[in-house]
Amino acid sequence: GAGVSQSPSNKVTEKGKDVELRCDPISGHTALYWYRQSLGQGLEFLIYFQGNSAPDKSGLPSDRFSAERTGGSVSTLTIQRTQQEDSAVYLCASRSPTRGFGNTIYFGEGSWLTVV
Amino acid sequence: QKEVEQDPGPLSVPEGAIVSLNCTYSNSAFQYFMWYRQYSRKGPELLMYTYSSGNKEDGRFTAQVDKSSKYISLFIRDSQPSDSATYLCATTMVGGNKLTFGTGTQLKVEL
Repeated sequence: GAGVSQSPSNKVTEKGKDVELRCDPISGHTALYWYRQSLGQGLEFLIYFQGNSAPDKSGLPSDRFSAERTGGSVSTLTIQRTQQEDSAVYLCASRSPTRGFGNTIYFGEGSWLTVV
Repeated sequence: QKEVEQDPGPLSVPEGAIVSLNCTYSNSAFQYFMWYRQYSRKGPELLMYTYSSGNKEDGRFTAQVDKSSKYISLFIRDSQPSDSATYLCATTMVGGNKLTFGTGTQLKVEL
């Protein structure tokens, strides 16, 4: 597709349930990021994938959060045993392998998660 | 203390005004500086991108970086109602893998 695609766009789940959020990056983009955006908190880095390298998981807030990237393309962010504080927008972004950092990162429209 | 500080606003200005949006940062290793615009229920989109200190102009938008004071600015001239959005500053180091964002400033340009 033309841009970063995320699904579902909206998800309401009950506390304690597991959720999976999907990201389909721009074709050819080797770097993929997950960020979380809570009200008034800005964007919080969660995890970074680059090619076949080990992912940078330093931003994952707890062991309930995990992510994988299959075949260097699609990524899934999984939140187990969801809590109300997990309610946020989960944003995926991808970056091309070309030179220059800032002008090659693109965000999807996010998955809006509400835990009730 | 957050690595990047940004006044959340909201900031309300009349159409045609010059808007000044600002961020401060604490890590002197940050070298790339970006401004993103985010409309309601949309993902952030890159507006401006600068490397190290100096100014960069693109149409009605000017980005300014002062590394000596660790201060980042975005100026919007002749502001329009379509500029109403949240503006996020972001920064990273050379060779860095991730962007560090400010909390965003909500801007409303009124007719």
